[in-house]
Parts: sequence; C-alpha cells; structure tokens
Amino acid sequence: GAGVSQSPRYKVAKRGQDVALRCDPISGHVSLFWYQQALGQGPEFLTYFQNEAQLDKSGLPSDRFFAERPEGSVSTLKIQRTQQEDSAVYLCASSLKGTGTDTQYFGPGTRLTVL
Amino acid sequence: GENVEQHPSTLSVQEGDSAVIKCTYSDSASNYFPWYKQELGKRPQLIIDIRSNVGEKKDQRIAVTLNKTAKHFSLHITETQPEDSAVYFCAAGPTGGTSYGKLTFGQGTILTVHP
Repeated sequence: GAGVSQSPRYKVAKRGQDVALRCDPISGHVSLFWYQQALGQGPEFLTYFQNEAQLDKSGLPSDRFFAERPEGSVSTLKIQRTQQEDSAVYLCASSLKGTGTDTQYFGPGTRLTVL
Repeated sequence: GENVEQHPSTLSVQEGDSAVIKCTYSDSASNYFPWYKQELGKRPQLIIDIRSNVGEKKDQRIAVTLNKTAKHFSLHITETQPEDSAVYFCAAGPTGGTSYGKLTFGQGTILTVHP
C-alpha cells in the first residue's frame, strides 16, 4: 500500500511569509508525528497527534508554529512569519497505534528554505 | 529530557568489513530503540529495532545489542556492501514520561563502504 506522503517536497519562502506543509499518513494509522531535521542532524520531535487530538506540542519552537489534524487523517503544519532559522526538512511519521513501541513510518519530508 | 549520543559521526570501511555504531541514552524509562537508514534526500527507513525485554536481535547482516544497565545500544552490520552507504540514526523512546512513541534521535553516522 501507499506509504506516508508529504507535499510540497520543496518550498522556498521569503522571510516573513506563511507556509503550510501537508502530511498524508498511512491509512488507518492512529498516531502522527512531526519532526524537524536540520542539515546534518537527526530528526527532532515537534508535535504528536493521536487521531485528531494534539496530545503533545512540546517541541514546537515558537508560537509561529501551528499543527492540526482535524479529521484524524491528513495533517498540516503551518509556520507563520517564517524566519531563516526555520529552514530545515520537516518530516512526518505515522504509526498504527498509540503505543510507545510502535514502528514509525516516515514520509519523504518537505525541504523548507527561507530566504 | 532524554539525550541520545551517537558515535562515530563518520565511519569508512572496505566492502566486506563489519561496521559498528554505538549509542547511549539517558532516560532509563526508554524501552524502544529503533535504527533508521537515510539515504541522501530520502526518507528515514527503519532497518531494525529492539525492545527492552531482549538483549540482542538479528536480521540477516544486521544486528542490534542492548545493555539497559549501561544505557547503551549498538548497531552491527556484517559483510558490508556499497549499498549500505548512508546516514544511520539511532533513537530511543518513548521519552519525556509519555506513553506514546515520542522518539529522541542521535546525531547520525555517515557510513561509507568502499568497493
């Protein structure tokens, strides 16, 4: 079946612009995670959804970052008034259940470049 | 919070040699330790994982060992091939006192296998 997909794959934004990044998880997966991956680094946790409920947003860097998953499937990560330090690859991952040892399947990521 | 340290940051081996990557973690509550392989510009892909009720797991040329007392785990790749060249990330979770799969990643190891 289809894996996790993300769009767009690449996004270039001017500083101050708003951007929206989309994640389509594997169908039926309860859990959805967003990670930020800076160049040459490992992914860093941003936020977690269990179905439509955002249970953890402790990793969001500032109040300019907002995520939603209104119907428990597709999720959108929105960044307002983008800054250069927001440049990174944003990865989405989904897992079947909400347990701590469930395999996470990653999408290809969206590479955001803020000029 | 959880801290995961990964070594070495780069590893160069000849085809057919073995490669070992080591990680340490700080949160004794972590009980799930996946390893991901990420090729340039691609999504992280799970190659093997281990849960804390076992000390070793093997899948063909890949094995992972876990020492919960010392809080470290290692990835072993035998008979390396050029297609094993990629960035490898270890991770530990669930972290932050959560019950879902919040992962903390290491900084990554760039593995290069020379023909």
